[in-house]
Amino acid sequence: AQKVTQAQTEISVVEKEDVTLDCVYETRDTTYYLFWYKQPPSGELVFLIRRNSFDEQNEISGRYSWNFQKSTSSFNFTITASQVVDSAVYFCALSDPYGGATNKLIFGTGTLLAVQP
Amino acid sequence: EAQVTQNPRYLITVTGKKLTVTCSQNMNHEYMSWYRQDPGLGLRQIYYSMNVEVTDKGDVPEGYKVSRKEKRNFPLILESPSPNQTSLYFCASSSTGRAPYEQYFGPGTRLTVT
Repeated sequence: AQKVTQAQTEISVVEKEDVTLDCVYETRDTTYYLFWYKQPPSGELVFLIRRNSFDEQNEISGRYSWNFQKSTSSFNFTITASQVVDSAVYFCALSDPYGGATNKLIFGTGTLLAVQP
Repeated sequence: EAQVTQNPRYLITVTGKKLTVTCSQNMNHEYMSWYRQDPGLGLRQIYYSMNVEVTDKGDVPEGYKVSRKEKRNFPLILESPSPNQTSLYFCASSSTGRAPYEQYFGPGTRLTVT
């Protein structure tokens, strides 16, 4: 069965610190997709990144970076020089291998990141 | 502006009183879905629709109904709400294809059933 584990329930850091949010997944599929979403205090879900299982290159977008390691089934998310606006709940999610199936996202339980000024 | 809208945003109701949460998207997406978010459980899929008149159950469909008569709309119906359906509900939409595209989420509907 597919499963996503975000073991860190809450993380608190001081502004400008770097922080890594962990995501470990389980799947028997050889082709799959991983996502990160951000849920700020206002409640909406904001898409951050999609990564497929064939692409193990790390990705960087501004202060955000993602480390995908197939060998350890992890897709970790690092925020460099955190800011108060980064305070949110972050969800990691795993998708069916092909969109023609259910297109369902399997979400982790989320990590609440609090960035203190 | 491309968006998914939900109404109402907040709703307090009583057990057994039928209600409908509307969802509409303006991106011509084939796929639409409903999730519920509960503390410690993340988001779980309730129902989804791959296109007009094509719907199917997700992981937690009990107590819910959906319909997809038009491509842009995907209402969620609670025929007889119960307190265990108190939750934050999200509608989502995306394109479909060989690879799963990112899903665009609505702003959420916070439902309280007393």
